[in-house]
Amino acid sequence: AQSVTQPDIHITVSEGASLELRCNYSYGATPYLFWYVQSPGQGLQLLLKYFSGDTLVQGIKGFEAEFKRSQSSFNLRKPSVHWSDAAEYFCAALIQGAQKLVFGQGTRLTINP
Amino acid sequence: EPEVTQTPSHQVTQMGQEVILRCVPISNHLYFYWYRQILGQKVEFLVSFYNNEISEKSEIFDDQFSVERPDGSNFTLKIRSTKLEDSAMYFCASSESWANEQFFGPGTRLTVL
Repeated sequence: AQSVTQPDIHITVSEGASLELRCNYSYGATPYLFWYVQSPGQGLQLLLKYFSGDTLVQGIKGFEAEFKRSQSSFNLRKPSVHWSDAAEYFCAALIQGAQKLVFGQGTRLTINP
Repeated sequence: EPEVTQTPSHQVTQMGQEVILRCVPISNHLYFYWYRQILGQKVEFLVSFYNNEISEKSEIFDDQFSVERPDGSNFTLKIRSTKLEDSAMYFCASSESWANEQFFGPGTRLTVL
């Protein structure tokens, strides 16, 4: 079945540490891929997107993600997290020709001071 | 910066009552969407709307649900007879085209008692 999987429900890292959030997709063709962030009580804000081309994409707030076709993955990274990065992170996929985003379960990020 | 707005932020209703959730998409966008997120679960697609008609809908979007763009700015989701399981956060989104980023509103939390 077509799906997006985020294996980690909750991750805790220390402020200043590096971060990697995992995302895998299961589709016949390569979908368009997105990472969204949701702070408490807020809507979903786009961090970055991959449509084609360079497999390493840069986003806002110092985030980047790397598309790896061989692993069907689109992992989100940040070299040094800040306390304000504490939020819920969602990976999502859009199949070409379809009009719906399919979301992963989300990963809740907690930052230790 | 243009943004998607939603009203109300929180709606409490009795089971069996009708509710209308309102959204104002970004003004030059042509595609409109509703998603919902039941507490603790992933964000799920409900419906997409283009050129004054539904272009895609999920299994969740049954006869109890309807969408409308009553004027040039609003986009509404109506639930005809609410059930307890309709309690969720409902997100509106809009995009310039199906292949572009979807911009999300802050959500309406619907509580059905």
